Amino acid sequence: GENVEQHPSTLSVQEGDSAVIKCTYSDSASNYFPWYKQELGKRPQLIIDIRSNVGEKKDQRIAVTLNKTAKHFSLHITETQPEDSAVYFCAGGNQFYFGTGTSLTVIP
Amino acid sequence: AAGVIQSPRHLIKEKRETATLKCYPIPRHDTVYWYQQGPGQDPQFLISFYEKMQSDKGSIPDRFSAQQFSDYHSELNMSSLELGDSALYFCASSLVRGTGELFFGEGSRLTVL
Repeated sequence: GENVEQHPSTLSVQEGDSAVIKCTYSDSASNYFPWYKQELGKRPQLIIDIRSNVGEKKDQRIAVTLNKTAKHFSLHITETQPEDSAVYFCAGGNQFYFGTGTSLTVIP
Repeated sequence: AAGVIQSPRHLIKEKRETATLKCYPIPRHDTVYWYQQGPGQDPQFLISFYEKMQSDKGSIPDRFSAQQFSDYHSELNMSSLELGDSALYFCASSLVRGTGELFFGEGSRLTVL
């Protein structure tokens, strides 16, 4: 199946700073790249996604960039806030395979 | 708006017992996915159904089986439970198979003693 690698596994930033999380995938046929946010004990929820015909997508403080040649896509969160603290997962391979997650802590 | 409904929310079983989890997807969603999430782990894909037919299989143990019924609800059956089966089990549905947002239920927490 698809091999999705996610880095870093943990990330701590000061409030107001930016956070970047990166995922690489192996299946060149993948064409949909979502990012999910999961708070402790809660369900994962989609925060942003991108399709293979687009290189970048932005939604307020959140953006995703896709490099199909290098097979990686990244989540960018700007002006981080304490409520951004959560675990973030990317997914690939038609969403069957999640990355290993990044635990983001925003320090007030 | 209707969401994905899972039941039961919590379940406690003994080793070697059997458990059944139920999932009611969002109406008109054509694909249902089952995931297993251990503590501190990422969701592991178990199995999916497209239009009531099994479509893809992930790391589902042979002791587990699943099906989707005519009313589109799905059930995950787990037999000969082991301590390692203790996890949060999520069901998700999507409107477009493979390339659309996954809507997750709140999960069923299984504890095997």
